[in-house]
Amino acid sequence: DQQVKQNSPSLSVQEGRISILNCDYTNSMFDYFLWYKKYPAEGPTFLISISSIKDKNEDGRFTVFLNKSAKHLSLHIVPSQPGDSAVYFCAAPDNTDKLIFGTGTRLQVFP
Amino acid sequence: ETGVTQTPRHLVMGMTNKKSLKCEQHLGHNAMYWYKQSAKKPLELMFVYSLEERVENNSVPSRFSPECPNSSHLFLHLHTLQPEDSALYLCASSRKGPGTGVDGSEAFFGQGTRLTVV
Repeated sequence: DQQVKQNSPSLSVQEGRISILNCDYTNSMFDYFLWYKKYPAEGPTFLISISSIKDKNEDGRFTVFLNKSAKHLSLHIVPSQPGDSAVYFCAAPDNTDKLIFGTGTRLQVFP
Repeated sequence: ETGVTQTPRHLVMGMTNKKSLKCEQHLGHNAMYWYKQSAKKPLELMFVYSLEERVENNSVPSRFSPECPNSSHLFLHLHTLQPEDSALYLCASSRKGPGTGVDGSEAFFGQGTRLTVV
């Protein structure tokens, strides 16, 4: 059973527009969520996180929104830049603090 | 420079070969992890070491054998692998290990080893 789901395998956005990447989870005990960004041939790098006591966390062009009742979170990137083109993973620590990752969404930002 | 270095970056091995993947972290972290990334599948956690002790083995076949000689180094010894073991193997480290709370649980990843079993 996949506890963290990213149902959109890919997303294409024009430069300057907003990119919205979505993530759903099934385990209501999850209380902390992280987003990772991965370029080809590199390991994932930590991007931004949010605790369940908040519904929004902002860091520059990146904002993560959390809707606990819907068990849904999203990553907003605005304005999108070509360098943002990568695979984005949503993750959450389980009850032993091990990270559970989604399958990732490939973002392509075109000029 | 991510602080977590993996070697080799690419590896092609036959099913009867024995090889090892190496990971080194320069971040002073206490926990290290091996992950497997296959196409269109979630990242799979294979092994967890916290303070050099193995704390998790997620039902990984015995043909994968981890070794953590100290808190900065982690190895994954491979023998008699199968073609379906071909994947990207990622090493990661975190300041704190599992069960110590989410603060410090952010994992820093190496660039991975692309393994092809022929």
